[in-house]
Amino acid sequence: DIVMTQTPLSSPVTLGQPASISCRSSQSLVDSDGNTYLSWLQQRPGQPPRLLIYKVSNRFSGVPDRFSGSGTGTDFTLRISRVEAEDVGVYYCMQATQFPRTFGGGTKVEIK
Amino acid sequence: EVQLLESGGGLVQPGGSLRLSCAASGFTFSDYAMTWVRQAPGQGLEWVSVIRGVNDDTYYADSVKGRFTISRDNSRNTLSLQMNSLRAEDTAIYYCAKGSGGYHPFDYWGQGTLVTVSS
Repeated sequence: DIVMTQTPLSSPVTLGQPASISCRSSQSLVDSDGNTYLSWLQQRPGQPPRLLIYKVSNRFSGVPDRFSGSGTGTDFTLRISRVEAEDVGVYYCMQATQFPRTFGGGTKVEIK
Repeated sequence: EVQLLESGGGLVQPGGSLRLSCAASGFTFSDYAMTWVRQAPGQGLEWVSVIRGVNDDTYYADSVKGRFTISRDNSRNTLSLQMNSLRAEDTAIYYCAKGSGGYHPFDYWGQGTLVTVSS
């Protein structure tokens, strides 16, 4: 199974400041079709997960442009350019290149 | 508008069975794989199972293989998860999600249904 490792575990951020979350996979996420199936999900308190980013850097419909994803191969990053109060929650990376799908352990974004 | 509505959760004794359902609307159900993901209390997300849209291929996490069965009824736009031989560690919120996560990412999720396995 592909292991997804996220850092940091927790990220206290001042409103309006940037935040960055790293995700590393135990093997390359480049699929045989040439795509890299790495997604980022946000889970606000008491809510189901919500898709933010798919295929490394594609923002899902309705996701604010302050969210961006980047990376290649085994190293990926989610960036929030200016954190807003509604961004509080836990963020997960997830690989869908192989079965079983696997998630990172989550990064909690909170306001300082 | 895409909607996914899970049902069937509840309290069950260890060794018991439960059947979860997910009613889908707002998209052509048969065109998409559907997935179950669970989240134990205070824990992260765990992928459980997927069923493809067309040929009904299925995949399972090792933790549930042989005990859980995923199925779908494309005529009723319904996804199901039959859970047998339940264990305490199966206690979780179970979410259904549209897609397989790859070519079709998990773009929509249900609100989840809570399964509690306890005596």
